[in-house]
Amino acid sequence: SAVISQKPSRDICQRGTSLTIQCQVDSQVTMMFWYRQQPGQSLTLIATANQGSEATYESGFVIDKFPISRPNLTFSTLTVSNMSPEDSSIYLCSVEVVGRSLYNEQFFGPGTRLTVL
Amino acid sequence: GEDVEQSLFLSVREGDSSVINCTYTDSSSTYLYWYKQEPGAGLQLLTYIFSNMDMKQDQRLTVLLNKKDKHLSLRIADTQTGDSAIYFCAESLQTGANNLFFGTGTRLTVIP
Repeated sequence: SAVISQKPSRDICQRGTSLTIQCQVDSQVTMMFWYRQQPGQSLTLIATANQGSEATYESGFVIDKFPISRPNLTFSTLTVSNMSPEDSSIYLCSVEVVGRSLYNEQFFGPGTRLTVL
Repeated sequence: GEDVEQSLFLSVREGDSSVINCTYTDSSSTYLYWYKQEPGAGLQLLTYIFSNMDMKQDQRLTVLLNKKDKHLSLRIADTQTGDSAIYFCAESLQTGANNLFFGTGTRLTVIP
């Protein structure tokens, strides 16, 4: 399995500011993803973080609002820009090592709980 | 987009069996999964089933898949207080992990 840590674990931010969330994995992984889990709702994939190139965003999510970096195979950041209260969510990093299992298991970080006032 | 639905809440008494249900809309799923989320923790994969299987048993967990009705269930035998958590079903439409669609989650409360 992969051990994933996220920083910060939680934060309370003011409207209009930005927050960068870090995701660190204890081993090199091929695929890294960022999800959002809004209160009482399911997980929604924001984007796939690609090493050495721009992230691939899902419908409804754009780079200007959620810039993502992935400088190497063990680390990624997600920035939530120009925040509004609607951005209050748990943000989760997940990884998959292609070929490690037949069933495409994703390992999830503990999440970052963001509250925007 | 893909629709994966679950009931939001389930309460059971300790020692009873829990059955958590999930319905999905896309019949081209390859794998279906059950994840567990405990308070303050990330998601943990509990079990999975390949789409050409009907049933899978793993200790206290039994997964049933009805492809015709697009219905997935997770049965937890002898439910314990430590099983209290949110359970998410998820499906993968292709072998790529970026096609993972999650249900809304079912909050299981186990009453001592």
